[in-house]
Amino acid sequence: RKEVEQDPGPFNVPEGATVAFNCTYSNSASQSFFWYRQDCRKEPKLLMSVYSSGNEDGRFTAQLNRASQYISLLIRDSKLSDSATYLCVVNLGGNAGNNRKLIWGLGTSLAVNP
Amino acid sequence: DAGITQSPRHKVTETGTPVTLRCHQTENHRYMYWYRQDPGHGLRLIHYSYGVKDTDKGEVSDGYSVSRSKTEDFLLTLESATSSQTSVYFCAISEWRPNSGNTIYFGEGSWLTVV
Repeated sequence: RKEVEQDPGPFNVPEGATVAFNCTYSNSASQSFFWYRQDCRKEPKLLMSVYSSGNEDGRFTAQLNRASQYISLLIRDSKLSDSATYLCVVNLGGNAGNNRKLIWGLGTSLAVNP
Repeated sequence: DAGITQSPRHKVTETGTPVTLRCHQTENHRYMYWYRQDPGHGLRLIHYSYGVKDTDKGEVSDGYSVSRSKTEDFLLTLESATSSQTSVYFCAISEWRPNSGNTIYFGEGSWLTVV
């Protein structure tokens, strides 16, 4: 079993749709969680951190379920500009500030269509 | 913007030649990383640095060496390039930001083709 698993998609949705991605992780000692967004031939960029209580940033909502070991990302009112690959990232921890134990998913591809 | 500059951005080289990729940061970050990204494998850590002259291996360090002689520069060297090292290479730094916590931010990437 991969340490971090994502449905690769692609998810094809119309503008305005709501879409949700899940990501499962295998290590119960995982300490922090993130969603990154990556556009074609660009670097990954932090979309949002995922907190235990769930968190929202505009149209984006992230949830963490430690018992079932998954995180989710919900995108409401999808825009054409949301088309990208969304990477799930789990941090197994380590010394403060040193992110050498990040485990990356392969990403979920989203295409938002007019 | 993480203040990271990678060079060169694109390079084609021949098998067996040495190649050095440079990562330059302007914000005095302590931790720096080199990743490669390949289809089917995702992002994999090659080497990282936790200070000047302090480096350690990551998941896929074979065939690569690094150096950090000053805080702002982290160099990745392919001693003798092979076709399997054709990839996109990302440099990254660690940073704590409000509302995001401690995570990493990437440079724009260096596309390397070994022929």
